[in-house]
Amino acid sequence: KNQVEQSPQSLIILEGKNCTLQCNYTVSPFSNLRWYKQDTGRGPVSLTIMTFSENTKSNGRYTATLDADTKQSSLHITASQLSDSASYICVVSDRGSTLGRLYFGRGTQLTVWP
Amino acid sequence: EADIYQTPRYLVIGTGKKITLECSQTMGHDKMYWYQQDPGMELHLIHYSYGVNSTEKGDLSSESTVSRIRTEHFPLTLESARPSHTSQYLCASSDDRASGNTIYFGEGSWLTVV
Repeated sequence: KNQVEQSPQSLIILEGKNCTLQCNYTVSPFSNLRWYKQDTGRGPVSLTIMTFSENTKSNGRYTATLDADTKQSSLHITASQLSDSASYICVVSDRGSTLGRLYFGRGTQLTVWP
Repeated sequence: EADIYQTPRYLVIGTGKKITLECSQTMGHDKMYWYQQDPGMELHLIHYSYGVNSTEKGDLSSESTVSRIRTEHFPLTLESARPSHTSQYLCASSDDRASGNTIYFGEGSWLTVV
């Protein structure tokens, strides 16, 4: 069964600190992996997209890594800000169909305290 | 900045009422999607469309229906709302999900059925 598991489920850090969120998946055949940020009560916003051949991608203070062999990805947030408080969702797409089916994780709820 | 809009953002309606959630995008995307998301849970695909006059049911069984008469619009209708329909509904669009292009989400419509 194709699945996407994220850890931790929730995380609290102090402003200015770094943190790393994890995503493990079993989706096959793999097409790409995306990280989204979802503020409370809002729609998800794309942070990064990585294909099989990419093992790291940055977007400002966000850096995503991908190990397609172990089927693991991480999202590293540097110098956290209060505005980083949100749910971070890992989404994996397969290439078994034209649609490119998406598998969503439940997200990691990050809270940044001042 | 995504040009995809959902209305209403918040709605409380009585059981048995008919409701249509509107979704519009101005990016010219052929592919559009409706997802359902309960708090703290992953997104579930309920409907998708490849283009005008093309609609398909998603992974999660839903009593809602959709239509795609124009490229820009992808409304979702509940003929007779029930309390079990209480959830957040997210509309999204993309050029080509399978290829790894960005999927843009709307801000969501929070529906409460009392």
